[in-house]
Amino acid sequence: DAKTTQPTSMDCAEGRAANLPCNHSTISGNEYVYWYRQIHSQGPQYIIHGLKNNETNEMASLIITEDRKSSTLILPHATLRDTAVYYCIVRVYGPGGGADGLTFGKGTHLIIQP
Amino acid sequence: DTGVSQDPRHKITKRGQNVTFRCDPISEHNRLYWYRQTLGQGPEFLTYFQNEAQLEKSRLLSDRFSAERPKGSFSTLEIQRTEQGDSAMYLCASSWTSGRVRDTQYFGPGTRLTVL
Repeated sequence: DAKTTQPTSMDCAEGRAANLPCNHSTISGNEYVYWYRQIHSQGPQYIIHGLKNNETNEMASLIITEDRKSSTLILPHATLRDTAVYYCIVRVYGPGGGADGLTFGKGTHLIIQP
Repeated sequence: DTGVSQDPRHKITKRGQNVTFRCDPISEHNRLYWYRQTLGQGPEFLTYFQNEAQLEKSRLLSDRFSAERPKGSFSTLEIQRTEQGDSAMYLCASSWTSGRVRDTQYFGPGTRLTVL
């Protein structure tokens, strides 16, 4: 599975949109982009995933560039409860190839300021 | 709450003792994964099961570690002769896959192990 690069930490004001970038320049055509977050001392929580089209769910939006080499997770109205480490993971989503375990990096520590 | 439960949530043990952790996945999920997370790092994959078959083991899974999923439902992870370096959060995740696609993994709250 391809490696990802994320900033170590980011701040965002409560109520504003939090935009978390991820670089995955070596992504393959059959690799999806997944986002998880981990609030302190809890297990990782699935947020969203996508292949090449932009995706939105009740938690967030995922914007993937046309060349698929980078993506941005958007939390539209950040709250204090969104303070967490956010992990961007690329993973094969089809038969054959790649490991079945997720490969986590160190993620981005997002701090929402009151 | 994802529906994946782990027991115990915290375990303190002395070096050299054996410990066992349990994971109960989401009931209809056929895949179950174990990860380990040390302080300041992201989770690291250890092993996974599809139904009762253990299909992959990471090189991180030393001979002192053994995992089982005897009936394809809950799983146990045992660490024998614990060492201080085994201190970590042990995470379990489950997913459902048809075999044609890999599905999303949902994580439990973890078991925090402290080896004194």
